[in-house]
Amino acid sequence: LAKTTQPISMDSYEGQEVNITCSHNNIATNDYITWYQQFPSQGPRFIIQGYKTKVTNEVASLFIPADRKSSTLSLPRVSLSDTAVYYCLVVNTGFQKLVFGTGTRLLVSP
Amino acid sequence: GAVVSQHPSWVICKSGTSVKIECRSLDFQATTMFWYRQFPKQSLMLMATSNEGSKATYEQGVEKDKFLINHASLTLSTLTVTSAHPEDSSFYICSARGPETSAHEQYFGPGTRLTVT
Repeated sequence: LAKTTQPISMDSYEGQEVNITCSHNNIATNDYITWYQQFPSQGPRFIIQGYKTKVTNEVASLFIPADRKSSTLSLPRVSLSDTAVYYCLVVNTGFQKLVFGTGTRLLVSP
Repeated sequence: GAVVSQHPSWVICKSGTSVKIECRSLDFQATTMFWYRQFPKQSLMLMATSNEGSKATYEQGVEKDKFLINHASLTLSTLTVTSAHPEDSSFYICSARGPETSAHEQYFGPGTRLTVT
């Protein structure tokens, strides 16, 4: 399983765009990049996943460069309710389990 | 979207007693369920993986005789913490995936806060 590294914490203000970068140097050909969001005392929630280039949904965008050794989760115009921990995971389609790293604690202030 | 529930949402028990936590998939058949534990300010740690009708596969370091997992049906898995001690106090979270769910997307329950006094 590829190890991921992401910043421990980030601060932002309402209305700003937040970009959280994750490095996964040992990513394998069959690995996908997945991001989850977790609020305090709740289970994680799937945000977005991708394999390469750019993926966008109603919540976020995920940018993956050609070498796939890193990825960036982009949250447009954050609000106070986006304060949470964001986990970057590398998941092999041949395996079932998710391995959570330390995550990035995002604090959005007024 | 798929919904996973847990019961109870919180429980307080005395040291030495056993506690059972239920995890249910409400609108899909969960062929695989996972149990995690999370201590304050820490990440989720996978405890075990269970497939319906099979014995659970425990992660290294997790005592299978202490954390009993049963996945008897496609919608229900239970985690029983036997002879609980204060160090077992934690946030227990289950997740589930069905046969059509991609490997990288699991549906998580809301978690169960266990406090052992």
